[in-house]
Amino acid sequence: GENVEQHPSTLSVQEGDSAVIKCTYSDSASNYFPWYKQELGKGPQLIIDIRSNVGEKKDQRIAVTLNKTAKHFSLHITETQPEDSAVYFCAAARKADSSASKIIFGSGTRLSIRP
Amino acid sequence: NAGVTQTPKFQVLKTGQSMTLQCAQDMNHNSMYWYRQDPGMGLRLIYYSASEGTTDKGEVPNGYNVSRLNKREFSLRLESAAPSQTSVYFCASSSRGGGGYTFGSGTRLTVV
Repeated sequence: GENVEQHPSTLSVQEGDSAVIKCTYSDSASNYFPWYKQELGKGPQLIIDIRSNVGEKKDQRIAVTLNKTAKHFSLHITETQPEDSAVYFCAAARKADSSASKIIFGSGTRLSIRP
Repeated sequence: NAGVTQTPKFQVLKTGQSMTLQCAQDMNHNSMYWYRQDPGMGLRLIYYSASEGTTDKGEVPNGYNVSRLNKREFSLRLESAAPSQTSVYFCASSSRGGGGYTFGSGTRLTVV
């Protein structure tokens, strides 16, 4: 089955700097790669996702890149702010329009923004 | 809209006791999921229901049972709780062919 590895497990950056979280996946049939943000005491919330037919996607200060050949994908946060402090999860799934998608999650990255 | 609602938020059980975690969604989603979250291990899929009337095992189904009561509700049952089942449990839902999951706020379960 699918296995998703995520690095680093903890990351501390100065406010205003950029943060990068990297993930690898094992199942070459995976075609959907969401990223979730989890704040303390809350459930994970989808922040951005990318499908395998796209190499990069941006949404304001957040961007994701996907390298299908190497089975790598990354989350980039620019101009970090205190409210970016949270745990971030990458994930991968085989997604078909007619069926449920079993999303497999990485182990998470705890991001801390230093003032 | 409330989204995904989980009850209870907190629960302490003694080893061997049983309980049911409740989950309901009001987004007319077809698929529902139960995950557990343990420190350093991310979220692991316990069971899922692709549509009303169907359920399937995930990565870590042992010790659990589920019921898809109707399109809105998906419950998780622990028949004989064990300390290894101490965890935070999340329910999620998704639409057919749609984007990612919508998660509930979780149930923190402690088995002593």
